[in-house]
Amino acid sequence: EDKVVQSPLSLVVHEGDTVTLNCSYEVTNFRSLLWYKQEKKAPTFLFMLTSSGIEKKSGRLSSILDKKELFSILNITATQTGDSAVYLCAVWAGNNRKLIWGLGTSLAVNP
Amino acid sequence: NAGVTQTPKFRILKIGQSMTLQCTQDMNHNYMYWYRQDPGMGLKLIYYSVGAGITDKGEVPNGYNVSRSTTEDFPLRLELAAPSQTSVYFCASSYRGGGQAQYFGPGTRLTVL
Repeated sequence: EDKVVQSPLSLVVHEGDTVTLNCSYEVTNFRSLLWYKQEKKAPTFLFMLTSSGIEKKSGRLSSILDKKELFSILNITATQTGDSAVYLCAVWAGNNRKLIWGLGTSLAVNP
Repeated sequence: NAGVTQTPKFRILKIGQSMTLQCTQDMNHNYMYWYRQDPGMGLKLIYYSVGAGITDKGEVPNGYNVSRSTTEDFPLRLELAAPSQTSVYFCASSYRGGGQAQYFGPGTRLTVL
């Protein structure tokens, strides 16, 4: 059965810290991996990763995929209170008609 | 572009009532999805559609129905509402599957009492 596992489930840091969120997957016919940020509303798209070793970057957020070891990481540097959210990882797999979602990592950034 | 829009934003239903949650996208996306999200839980796929006239069940379809008569619209029908259907419902769309991002509507918060 296809699955996506995120760790840790929750994390509390102080402003300015750097955090690394993990997403591992076991799926058939992997196509791409997506990261989303969810504050108290709908998920918003952050990154899509298709190739191993190519970093995607947007401001203080960056992400990379390892297709050999079947995982991705999302890094946030110099965290701010506005980074507090649930970060979701999802994978297109199988017949590529549905995303397989992880449960998310809840990040709290304290001032 | 408005993106993905959903109505209503909030709704309270009594047990046994029915309602339709509306979803419209203006991005000419082929694929559309309905998810529910319970507090502290992940996204559960209810139904999805890969084009007009084509729908398929997700993980939790019981108690729901969908139709897709146009590319833009993908309404979700709740028949005989039950307290277990209290949740936040998100509609999402993507151009295709595979190497595409899904974009979400703002959600509908439904309470069944």
